[in-house]
Amino acid sequence: GESVGLHLPTLSVQEGDNSIINCAYSNSASDYFIWYKQESGKGPQFIIDIRSNMDKRQGQRVTVLLNKTVKHLSLQIAATQPGDSAVYFCAAHGNGQNFVFGPGTRLSVLP
Amino acid sequence: GAGVSQTPSNKVTEKGKYVELRCDPISGHTALYWYRQSLGQGPEFLIYFQGTGAADDSGLPNDRFFAVRPEGSVSTLKIQRTERGDSAVYLCASSLSGGYMNTEAFFGQGTRLTVV
Repeated sequence: GESVGLHLPTLSVQEGDNSIINCAYSNSASDYFIWYKQESGKGPQFIIDIRSNMDKRQGQRVTVLLNKTVKHLSLQIAATQPGDSAVYFCAAHGNGQNFVFGPGTRLSVLP
Repeated sequence: GAGVSQTPSNKVTEKGKYVELRCDPISGHTALYWYRQSLGQGPEFLIYFQGTGAADDSGLPNDRFFAVRPEGSVSTLKIQRTERGDSAVYLCASSLSGGYMNTEAFFGQGTRLTVV
């Protein structure tokens, strides 16, 4: 079955710098991916998604890159702000309606 | 309310007891999901409802876990004979339709279940 992992469990960046959070997935048939942000005590919140027929998608201050060749996904956050501090999860579409989440990266923004 | 509501927010129960966790989805959302999140891990899929029916229950770990959504709105996750390993945050999410693409799922804040 699908498995999703991340390269780094924690990431610290200076306020104003760009952040890059990485994710690897195992199932080459995965056709849809989502990045979520989870703040303490809250449920995951949708950030951005990307279909497998794309390699890049941009939102407000966020960009997702998809490399299907190496089954790698990244989330880039521009001009990181204190409010960006949270745990970030990538999720890959598995079978049917379910998604497989990675273990998450905790982003800490330093003043 | 405007979002997905889960009650209780915290539940402590003794090993072997039965628990029910409730999810009120966003009004009008036909799709409802339950996930389980252990400490330091990402959410793990349990079950998906489209309307009243459980369209995908492949994530339920064993027959102690059961979920219902009798009127296509509120859902209850039921756990029998709880074990300490069931301790986790149980998350509910709903989306406007059942398609997994381009239909954003909104998560509740979760119910933290602790089995002692």
